Amino acid sequence: DQQVKQNSPSLSVQEGRISILNCDYTNSMFDYFLWYKKYPAEGPTFLISISSIKDKNEDGRFTVFLNKSAKHLSLHIVPSQPGDSAVYFCAARRSSGGSNYKLTFGKGTLLTVNP
Amino acid sequence: DAGVTQSPTHLIKTRGQQVTLRCSPKSGHDTVSWYQQALGQGPQFIFQYYEEEERQRGNFPDRFSGHQFPNYSSELNVNALLLGDSALYLCASSSAATYNEQFFGPGTRLTVL
Repeated sequence: DQQVKQNSPSLSVQEGRISILNCDYTNSMFDYFLWYKKYPAEGPTFLISISSIKDKNEDGRFTVFLNKSAKHLSLHIVPSQPGDSAVYFCAARRSSGGSNYKLTFGKGTLLTVNP
Repeated sequence: DAGVTQSPTHLIKTRGQQVTLRCSPKSGHDTVSWYQQALGQGPQFIFQYYEEEERQRGNFPDRFSGHQFPNYSSELNVNALLLGDSALYLCASSSAATYNEQFFGPGTRLTVL
């Protein structure tokens, strides 16, 4: 049972344009969400996060939007740069109930930004 | 400041063997989590160690065990290796104070033949 889903295995965008990566979750107990970026031969690197009490969090070119009623979040990258080309993982966590330490990841989306 | 380090980088074992993977957390971190990432999948939580004890465990069999040392470093042991254990094993560290953010190491690529 996959509780965090990234339905697009890959996404290709032109440099300078917006990249939008999507993530859906099924567990309503999740209350904290994170995006990680992963380059080949490296571990995932934390990018940005959002708590369920917010619907938007912004950090430079990266913005994460959370729609709790739809159990959906998205990561916007504006403007996209070739160095953003990587696999992006959506992850979720719940803060209580004995499961508040582990991260549950989606399968990832490969973003390719073309010059 | 060194980040999370893992050793070895790559490892090849045969079915039935045992393997030990090692992780040193980021400076100032006291909590270590282990994840398994199979090809084409996202990382899956194996377990987390804090204060030298297993604090939480994912859906992995008892063949997977771990240990945390007083200096917060950690080991992951896998017994009776199966072909399906072939994966990238990731270690992540965090501090009890800021556990929302987990910092990952580069991983150990385990191949079971």
